Amino acid sequence: DARVTQTPRHKVTEMGQEVTMRCQPILGHNTVFWYRQTMMQGLELLAYFRNRAPLDDSGMPKDRFSAEMPDATLATLKIQPSEPRDSAVYFCASGRGLAGFGEQFFGPGTRLTVL
Amino acid sequence: AQSVTQLGSHVSVSEGALVLLRCNYSSSVPPYLFWYVQYPNQGLQLLLKYTTGATLVKGINGFEAEFKKSETSFHLTKPSAHMSDAAEYFCAVSVTRAGGTSYGKLTFGQGTILTVHP
Repeated sequence: DARVTQTPRHKVTEMGQEVTMRCQPILGHNTVFWYRQTMMQGLELLAYFRNRAPLDDSGMPKDRFSAEMPDATLATLKIQPSEPRDSAVYFCASGRGLAGFGEQFFGPGTRLTVL
Repeated sequence: AQSVTQLGSHVSVSEGALVLLRCNYSSSVPPYLFWYVQYPNQGLQLLLKYTTGATLVKGINGFEAEFKKSETSFHLTKPSAHMSDAAEYFCAVSVTRAGGTSYGKLTFGQGTILTVHP
């Protein structure tokens, strides 16, 4: 049963600390998305990659957020330094990119709390 | 550019009643359309999708949706609500490319929270 996995599932940290979230996309999917979900803003697209290359990261605060794909099986989202307003659930999703109809498969999310 | 509007951020129904969640889209090219469901403390799960062909599509858990091009709508329905249907539902649209595939990026609606009363 192919699934997107995310680690950690929960993270509590203090303001100013670095946070790294990891995502393993479904094998064979070449497009990876990072979303943030909050009660106030809903679901926001932060960045996405196709074939490991960043296509759009306009949704990310550039001064503190960075997203990378070191290899096809790992995507990372880093926040440095973290702030209380970054508290949210961060979802990773993967898809077949240009070969598919656009459906994305979501991971279970990382719930981040910044104190 | 495409957009999605979900009418009603909250919908409440009684168990056994009809569920109707509304979604209207805007797209300059034929769209691919999706409904996702999010249960508490979980990620989004694909309920159903419309790509081409039959305009009435069936999904998991007894849900179905009908693509109406003339109304630019893709409303989600279920004949009889169950307590387990309580969740947030998202409508999404994908832009198509020549050749029938997509660019792979989805535009989501704001979501509709469905509450089911006993």
